[in-house]
Amino acid sequence: SQKIEQNSEALNIQEGKTATLTCNYTNYSPAYLQWYRQDPGRGPVFLLLIRENEKEKRKERLKVTFDTTLKQSLFHITASQPADSATYLCALDLYNFNKFYFGSGTKLNVKP
Amino acid sequence: GAVVSQHPSRVICKSGTSVKIECRSLDFQATTMFWYRQFPKKSLMLMATSNEGSKATYEQGVEKDKFLINHASLTLSTLTVTSAHPEDSSFYICSAWSPAGATDTQYFGPGTRLTVL
Repeated sequence: SQKIEQNSEALNIQEGKTATLTCNYTNYSPAYLQWYRQDPGRGPVFLLLIRENEKEKRKERLKVTFDTTLKQSLFHITASQPADSATYLCALDLYNFNKFYFGSGTKLNVKP
Repeated sequence: GAVVSQHPSRVICKSGTSVKIECRSLDFQATTMFWYRQFPKKSLMLMATSNEGSKATYEQGVEKDKFLINHASLTLSTLTVTSAHPEDSSFYICSAWSPAGATDTQYFGPGTRLTVL
């Protein structure tokens, strides 16, 4: 079965630095890989989607890379701010059935 | 982005009662809705996939008689937790997806916190 791992449970960084979160998966390569932000007690909010034939995607201070050889996606937040503090989840679409499975999430803490 | 609502946002019930949670896509028609549950500090666990007008597809280990899903229209899906027990206490989140959407992504509701006493 597919396993999705996100680097650490928590990541603490200083304001202004770049936060890098990882998402690794085993077995099948997904058609899509997505990143979501989740605040406590709220539903996830979509951030970025990257397809299997794309290497990199950017949106403002966010950047996602997708390496199907390494079976890994990296999620970067540049010039991080305390407001970026949240849990970030990666989600994979298995077999292109539009059914998504989520990683366990990484809690990002950006300290002022 | 698209808006998905859930009702109620919070519910407390006694053991043995049934609870219904509604998920609505407010500004688009969702051919597919997904139901997840999330335990504290854990990720979302997909429970079932619901397509409008057909039976829901449940993930392995999820009891379909326990968690009844109905997707009666393109904008409404309901999850009923039958004969709830304390172990059913969790955060339930729905999401909606439409193939007409440009981003091929799901839009999530705000979640429903269920507490069974």
